[in-house]
Amino acid sequence: DGGITQSPKYLFRKEGQNVTLSCEQNLNHDAMYWYRQDPGQGLRLIYYSQIVNDFQKGDIAEGYSVSREKKESFPLTVTSAQKNPTAFYLCASSKGVNLAGELFFGEGSRLTVL
Amino acid sequence: AQKVTQAQTEISVVEKEDVTLDCVYETRDTTYYLFWYKQPPSGELVFLIRRNSFDEQNEISGRYSWNFQKSTSSFNFTITASQVVDSAVYFCALTPYSGGGADGLTFGKGTHLIIQP
Repeated sequence: DGGITQSPKYLFRKEGQNVTLSCEQNLNHDAMYWYRQDPGQGLRLIYYSQIVNDFQKGDIAEGYSVSREKKESFPLTVTSAQKNPTAFYLCASSKGVNLAGELFFGEGSRLTVL
Repeated sequence: AQKVTQAQTEISVVEKEDVTLDCVYETRDTTYYLFWYKQPPSGELVFLIRRNSFDEQNEISGRYSWNFQKSTSSFNFTITASQVVDSAVYFCALTPYSGGGADGLTFGKGTHLIIQP
C-alpha cells in the first residue's frame, strides 16, 4: 500500500546529541513537509521541500536540518542547538506545492530528551 | 496574519449522540481554503475535507457534515450518531488560495473528541 513511513516511532536522546528522524514515501509526491506537534497545540511547520535538492524553512526551523537527495526521502535532524526538542514529529507529503491537494501524513515519531 | 481558533479543547459524549466541533478563523485574504483533519490515537493525521471560500454550500458525507458560514468566519463540523471509532483529535486548518502551499497552512490547536460507549 502507498503511504508514508516514519521511523523510529519512539526515540530517546541525551542532551547534546543530534538525532535523525526518517521519512519515506512511496506516493510519488513532489512535496514533503516536517511538522512539530506539542501537547494541546496545533501543528507547526519546521521545513518543507517542493522538489529534490531543494527545501525551505518553515516557521520553527531553528535547531533543525533536513536534506532531500531523493524524491522518496526527507530525513529530519534534530540538532543539539534545538533548545526544547521533546515533541511529536510528523512528516507529510502532497502531490504538489499547491494545497488544493490534501496532505498525507505518517504516524509520527515521538522524541524524548532525557 | 491568519488564525484558526478551536475553542473546545475536549468534548466527551456518549455513543450515538450528535456532536459539533467549532472552528472560527481569521484571515485578510478574500479567497482561501479550509480543511478538517482527524488524528486518531495511532498518530497520523487523516484528511477529511477541503472547502474553498467561493463555495458556502454545506457538505454531507455519511455521518459527517460541515457548515461553512463566511459571515461568521466559521467552519463547523458535525458528527451525527457518534461512534467510539470517532474518538480522535480533530484539527481545523486554513491556507490562502493564492500560493496556498503548506507553508501557508495554519492549524488550530485541535479538539479532543471522546466518544464513550
